[in-house]
Amino acid sequence: KAGVTQTPRYLIKTRGQQVTLSCSPISGHRSVSWYQQTPGQGLQFLFEYFSETQRNKGNFPGRFSGRQFSNSRSEMNVSTLELGDSALYLCASSLVSGDGNTIYFGEGSWLTVV
Amino acid sequence: AQRVTQPEKLLSVFKGAPVELKCNYSYSGSPELFWYVQYSRQRLQLLLRHISRESIKGFTADLNKGETSFHLKKPFAQEEDSAMYYCALTGSNYKLTFGKGTLLTVNP
Repeated sequence: KAGVTQTPRYLIKTRGQQVTLSCSPISGHRSVSWYQQTPGQGLQFLFEYFSETQRNKGNFPGRFSGRQFSNSRSEMNVSTLELGDSALYLCASSLVSGDGNTIYFGEGSWLTVV
Repeated sequence: AQRVTQPEKLLSVFKGAPVELKCNYSYSGSPELFWYVQYSRQRLQLLLRHISRESIKGFTADLNKGETSFHLKKPFAQEEDSAMYYCALTGSNYKLTFGKGTLLTVNP
């Protein structure tokens, strides 16, 4: 079966711009979660959606937002980009919320803010 | 609140040496614990789970509820074990919480 697909894979933005990242989960998975991965902070949880509802949220500023569509596809948006937002953004999908047994990760979107 | 702590950001061992990656957790109920691994240029993936008590690629992890720990161990490290390792916990609130990760380097 097809894995979790994230687009775009690489992008470069300038400070102050906004960016939208997309994630297509594994077919049948209704939970989509987003993580920010950096060398200094490791893996940090952004938010998780299940059936179009945000179930859990991490400690990130309001500039970070997301949504999930009826087909379970998800997008995350970062507005007013800062240099510190440069990171690998990972999307993961699972059958249900918080299911560590069925969670699968995408390859990530590499965001560079200059 | 649930929390996962991996005290070592970096761990370096020589090939053939034993390796132990530490993981401590905080959760008031009965959690389910996992170890995930991310090899260079590959996706983050599930390595093993405590509930199945399995050994994957020579790695084992025992849940110690008294010490609230779930350390990952391997008796003889191999160079191909070099990777980023994340410990994670899920509880009844349907939230999966990851530790910050430990970068393991196995030197020849």
